[in-house]
Amino acid sequence: EIVMTQSPATLSVSPGERATLSCRASQSVSSNLAWYQQKPGQAPRLLIYGASTRATGIPARFSGSGSGTEFTLTISSLQSEDFAVYYCQQYNNWPPCSFGQGTKLEIK
Amino acid sequence: QLQLQESGPGLVKPSETLSLTCTVSGGSISSSSYYWGWIRQPPGKGLEWIGSIYYSGSTYYNPSLKSRVTISVDTSKNQFSLKLSSVTAADTAVYYCARHPYHIAVAHYWGQGTLVTVSS
Repeated sequence: EIVMTQSPATLSVSPGERATLSCRASQSVSSNLAWYQQKPGQAPRLLIYGASTRATGIPARFSGSGSGTEFTLTISSLQSEDFAVYYCQQYNNWPPCSFGQGTKLEIK
Repeated sequence: QLQLQESGPGLVKPSETLSLTCTVSGGSISSSSYYWGWIRQPPGKGLEWIGSIYYSGSTYYNPSLKSRVTISVDTSKNQFSLKLSSVTAADTAVYYCARHPYHIAVAHYWGQGTLVTVSS
């Protein structure tokens, strides 16, 4: 099983600043990496797939990069609605796929 | 607009079988382009993929749950279902249904989720 590790567990950033979230895979997943955003009481929302392709309707301030085992989600200028928990997911060897444990992005 | 809606009991006793149904509206479950999946999230924890089904009935299950999981599809009702047997408190979670492209397990559409508690 491929283990996904996200860092940091919690990230405190001020509105308007840049946030950088990391995700590491225990073995290469090529570019088969997705990012989701989850707000309290809501289902996750797909942000990025294929490591860098934004999903439909996702603002350009969200960008993804990386391949192999190291991936990054960058939010260029944080808006109030961006404070949430973010999960990465590998789907390279589905089934199964696996998720990271999440990074909580909180207001500084 | 595609919508998915989970339904089923919110409370299940230990050792019994958890049963949930996902009703799809705004699109056909018989599309050749998609799989339909179940994902769960224990309270305060991360996400776990349970399994997925194609309209033909072809299934893929998470090996960690495979011995207890059955996913089925009813194309006439535009629904698919999850059964998880021999449940314990560790199966308490919010259960989501979702749609993902054929053989690409990226969930573009999600249901709102339903909390299932395992307790006597």
